[in-house]
Order: sequence, then structure tokens, then C-alpha cells
Amino acid sequence: EVQLVESGGGLVQPGRSLRLSCAASGFTFDDYAMHWVRQAPGKGLEWVSGISWNSGSIGYAGSVKGRFTISRDNAKNSLYLQMNSLRAEDTALYYCAKGVAARLSYFDLWGQGTLVTVSS
Amino acid sequence: DIQMTQSPSSLSASVGDRVTITCQASQDISNYLNWYQQRPGKAPKLLIYDASNLETGVPSRFSGSGSGTDFTFTISSLQPEDIATYYCQQYDNLPLTFGGGTKVEIK
Repeated sequence: EVQLVESGGGLVQPGRSLRLSCAASGFTFDDYAMHWVRQAPGKGLEWVSGISWNSGSIGYAGSVKGRFTISRDNAKNSLYLQMNSLRAEDTALYYCAKGVAARLSYFDLWGQGTLVTVSS
Repeated sequence: DIQMTQSPSSLSASVGDRVTITCQASQDISNYLNWYQQRPGKAPKLLIYDASNLETGVPSRFSGSGSGTDFTFTISSLQPEDIATYYCQQYDNLPLTFGGGTKVEIK
């Protein structure tokens, strides 16, 4: 079955760090770019970061640049998001999403999300 | 960053009605425009890619058109299962950006 399963979310204090993981299965992981997209409670979708198939091309939203780091391990079929210096406005449901090609473009498969709550 | 402006932000229509949503980009994005459906409590789902191409398995009542800066998404005959929020998304330039969403309800 083709699926993405996120993990690592939780309650964290402002200024602290958290690492999200996404386990992929059912497709050839290293053929595709991968992304993180988030959705704050009751709000719309916001692309956070994306990484090409070979990690040669990486992009970030301005709101997280310098604080978040995306990475992937093709041998483990896994995607990661290291989130540092977390702020209240980072509170959201974080989705892992599969790209449709090797380059950063759009998303044809989504996980169910992992909730990150930043609060003291 | 490319801004994507969707309208309306919400709409109410009857079953069988034709529903149209528009999305305007702040600069020319060619046809690098996609549409997603997000049902309540669910992850988004790709419906239309490259402005007008129907994703495999998506019902033919959904369609998209446009190029450059102005795009349209249409449901030809609204069904109860189409209750959702719809988002446009551009991929001409990084950062990838979404429209604000259009919530579709049944009248």
C-alpha cells in the first residue's frame, strides 16, 4: 500500500526543538521529491519545505528559513524535519507529502499529519 | 514570493449546481497551477494539475482552466461528497504557495 506516516509531533515549549519523521512505503522513495506542508488550526495550507530526490535542491518558506532543516535518508525511505527555535506560530498539523517528480513542484500523496503544539 | 488570491472564500450551492472558483497569481505562472480538495478532518487530495489535467481517478465533473495569472476551477454538478475546502497552488517559483482556500457548502 502506498502511504506516508508522520511521527514526532507533540507539545513543546517556545524556543525548544522537535524532529519530525515521515516513513514512506509502497513506492520508489528515491525517485521523488518530498515535502512538508503545515496547517495551523482552522487555517489554510502553507508549504514549509521541500527536498529533491537526491537532496541536491532544497527550499524553505521564509517563515522557517534558518530555523528548520529538511533532510531525507533514501536507504530508510524516510523524510525528516528538524525544527529549532520553535515559536507559537509554528503550532500546526504537519503533513508529509510526496512530490510528483524529482524536482520541487506539487504533491500527489499526503500523510495524515502530526500535530505540533508550541506553548509554555 | 508569488501571492495566490482565491475567490470566493466560501460559497453555498445546491446539489446539481455548477460551482466556479477563481485563483489569481501575482505574476505570470504559465500553467504551473494545481487544485486540491480537503474534506473536513482529512488530508488534502490532488484533483487538477498543470491547470487543466484531471488526476487519475478524479470524477470528470471537476475541471480546471486558465494560464498566466488567471485560473478557474469548476464543479459541473455539485454532489454532497464535494463538501470541502478547495485550494489552488503554484509551482512556478519557490517558495511554493497556496491560495487561501474556498469552503464549499451545500445550501
